[in-house]
Amino acid sequence: DQQVKQNSPSLSVQEGRISILNCDYTNSMFDYFLWYKKYPAEGPTFLISISSIKDKNEDGRFTVFLNKSAKHLSLHIVPSQPGDSAVYFCAASGRGGGSNYKLTFGKGTLLTVNP
Amino acid sequence: DTGVSQDPRHKITKRGQNVTFRCDPISEHNRLYWYRQTLGQGPEFLTYFQNEAQLEKSRLLSDRFSAERPKGSFSTLEIQRTEQGDSAMYLCASSLGSGGRTDTQYFGPGTRLTVL
Repeated sequence: DQQVKQNSPSLSVQEGRISILNCDYTNSMFDYFLWYKKYPAEGPTFLISISSIKDKNEDGRFTVFLNKSAKHLSLHIVPSQPGDSAVYFCAASGRGGGSNYKLTFGKGTLLTVNP
Repeated sequence: DTGVSQDPRHKITKRGQNVTFRCDPISEHNRLYWYRQTLGQGPEFLTYFQNEAQLEKSRLLSDRFSAERPKGSFSTLEIQRTEQGDSAMYLCASSLGSGGRTDTQYFGPGTRLTVL
């Protein structure tokens, strides 16, 4: 039973346009959400996070939106750059995961930004 | 470089052999985590430490796996009698462990294990 779902395995956008990556979760006990970026043969790199008490968090070109009623979050990248091409993972933590701190990940979305 | 480091980066072994991986967390980070990632999947939680205490283990961590963090600093993950199904990327992460809910985990580069 996958508690964090990224239903789009891949996404392709043009340089300069907006990239929108989506994530759904099923466990209402999750209360902290993170996005990580991963290049091949490297570990995940933390991008941005959001607590369940907020509905938006912004950091430079990256904005994460959280819709708790829909159990949905999204990552917006504006403007997209070729260097953003990577796999993006959505992750969540909370009491419902059996531990307050372990992260539950989605399967990832491969973003390709074309020049 | 003050990030999480892992050693070795790659390990090829024969089935039945034992392997050990090392993780050095960001200094002053109290929590240390181990995850495993296979192709096409996101990282899956294995275990975590608060200082030297191992506080949770996933059911993925069979009795062939053991992890230690003897002095609350670096950690080791040992796999005994490796099987081909153990082939994966083993990721280590650390977090400050400040006690708040928003405790961000920072990952190392991983150790790629291939069991022949």
